[in-house]
Amino acid sequence: SQTIHQWPATLVQPVGSPLSLECTVEGTSNPNLYWYRQAAGRGLQLLFYSVGIGQISSEVPQNLSASRPQDRQFILSSKKLLLSDSGFYLCAWSVVHSFGYTFGSGTRLTVV
Amino acid sequence: KQEVTQIPAALSVPEGENLVLNCSFTDSAIYNLQWFRQDPGKGLTSLLLIQSSQREQTSGRLNASLDKSSGRSTLYIAASQPGDSATYLCAVAGYGQNFVFGPGTRLSVLP
Repeated sequence: SQTIHQWPATLVQPVGSPLSLECTVEGTSNPNLYWYRQAAGRGLQLLFYSVGIGQISSEVPQNLSASRPQDRQFILSSKKLLLSDSGFYLCAWSVVHSFGYTFGSGTRLTVV
Repeated sequence: KQEVTQIPAALSVPEGENLVLNCSFTDSAIYNLQWFRQDPGKGLTSLLLIQSSQREQTSGRLNASLDKSSGRSTLYIAASQPGDSATYLCAVAGYGQNFVFGPGTRLSVLP
């Protein structure tokens, strides 16, 4: 069966520090991968999605970047965190677009 | 551009009640609609996925209906329990497109 792993679960980082969040999927090949952010009291915002290794689409220009070095690995990064980067970050996968999403357990990021 | 709204934003009911959560979308040319549940501080758990050719899907006490022509979906929860307390989100997608999420309905079921 397919599983999705996301870590760390919580993270507290100072302003200006770098960020690396990792998401891996098991039990499937060539999944579509997604990074979402959920700010406090707000809806889900799609940040990046990837349909294959090295293929990244950005939905919102901001202080973050994403990479997909392996088929089932998706990484969210920042060189210098801002206070506004605080939020709940969720990784998801699907077989193809529109075929239903499966989400990871999320990472709570607090920038101080 | 697809927009998804959910009514009500919050709902509080006594245990045992049957309830309906509503989801509306502006572009009826959708391929799928998916309902999720999110517990506080947790990820999203998929509840039901409805293909555009289907009118409803059922899982246990949950029933989701889809009316594409009117741009609506409802999630029916029968005999609600305190464990059903969570935020419920709906999401819609056109063919080959990413899902667009609604803001969610926060449900509290009181014992």
